[in-house]
Amino acid sequence: DQQVKQNSPSLSVQEGRISILNCDYTNSMFDYFLWYKKYPAEGPTFLISISSIKDKNEDGRFTVFLNKSAKHLSLHIVPSQPGDSAVYFCAAQQREYGNKLVFGAGTILRVKS
Amino acid sequence: NAGVTQTPKFQVLKTGQSMTLQCAQDMNHEYMSWYRQDPGMGLRLIHYSVGAGITDQGEVPNGYNVSRSTTEDFPLRLLSAAPSQTSVYFCASSYTGTGVGGYTFGSGTRLTVV
Repeated sequence: DQQVKQNSPSLSVQEGRISILNCDYTNSMFDYFLWYKKYPAEGPTFLISISSIKDKNEDGRFTVFLNKSAKHLSLHIVPSQPGDSAVYFCAAQQREYGNKLVFGAGTILRVKS
Repeated sequence: NAGVTQTPKFQVLKTGQSMTLQCAQDMNHEYMSWYRQDPGMGLRLIHYSVGAGITDQGEVPNGYNVSRSTTEDFPLRLLSAAPSQTSVYFCASSYTGTGVGGYTFGSGTRLTVV
């Protein structure tokens, strides 16, 4: 039972344009949602998070939107840069279960220059 | 500040062998976790700990053992390696355990079981 789903295995975007990465979840009790970026041969790096009581969080070029009724969140990167090319993982956690992270399968983002 | 340190970076085991993957953090984080990453499956939680002396199972705990005798160290033991345990293993730690600040990950251990 996959609670966090990233249905797009890959995304290709031109430099300077917007990248939109999507994530769906099934558990309405999740308290926090997080995005991680991962380069090859490195560990994931925390990017941005959002509480379930908010609908938007912004940090520089990165904005995460949460639509609780649709059980959907998205990560917007504007403008996209070649250095953003990586695998992006969506993750969720629930306080009741020790805040364990549940990850999606990841989306490979390629930003073309 | 080293962050989260995992050793070794690479390991090849024969089926049936046992070994310990080491994880150490120097940030005084209470929360520590072990994940495995397999193609097309994201990261799956193996075991986690909310403090010294406290551990619990994650999504895929079978074949693995953990202990947390100190705040800094959280070793993962493979009891009898199987080819299905071929994977990349990540250790992570967090101060709050919540989405605020997230978890800090190590650089991983690539394990091959033949």
